[in-house]
Amino acid sequence: EVQLVESGGGLVQPGGSLRLSCVASGIPFSYYFMYWVRQAPGKGLVWVSGIKTDGTITNYADSVKGRFTISRDNAKNTLYLQMNSLRAEDTAVYYCVGQRGDPWGQGTLVIVSS
Amino acid sequence: QAVVTQESSLTVSPGGTVTLTCGSNTGAVTSGHYPYWFQQKPGQVPRTLIFDTNIKHSWTPARFSGSLLGGKAALTLSGVQPEDEADYYCLLSYRGEGVFGGGTRLTVL
Repeated sequence: EVQLVESGGGLVQPGGSLRLSCVASGIPFSYYFMYWVRQAPGKGLVWVSGIKTDGTITNYADSVKGRFTISRDNAKNTLYLQMNSLRAEDTAVYYCVGQRGDPWGQGTLVIVSS
Repeated sequence: QAVVTQESSLTVSPGGTVTLTCGSNTGAVTSGHYPYWFQQKPGQVPRTLIFDTNIKHSWTPARFSGSLLGGKAALTLSGVQPEDEADYYCLLSYRGEGVFGGGTRLTVL
């Protein structure tokens, strides 16, 4: 079965850190560009970050540049998002997405609040 | 960072045709922006309908088509069905960095 399963979300205080994980199955993960997309409650989709198949090229939205780091472990079929210096405006459901927009994970909720 | 614009809302009658557009404040949208189109219904995970301007996934209904139109990316729905009522988002790539539009709420009425 083709699926992406995210984990690692939760409640964190402003200024804190979280690491999200996304485990892939049913796809040739090491051949896939991968992305993180987020959606704040009741708001639109926001592209967060992307990573090349071998991890050598990464890209970030301006809003997270310098605070978030995307990485991958192809041996574990796993994508990561290290989130530091979290702000209230980072509160959102974070989706892991494969290249060509397929597949999408179910998302993991991150709440940044004191 | 670039700004991607979409109609905030559109209304279409069942069986009708509607075109949603996706523009960029940096100039004309081209195939080099690799336009994507996504559909999201309330409480659901988005699903990808179109990538690379006009390529459909296996699950994309035939009534959906993507194109470039008048300097914008476009998503046309022909023969709209009630189940097409949803939010639609476009995504453009700017040298590897993606930017979503604000989304179009499509009402079928």
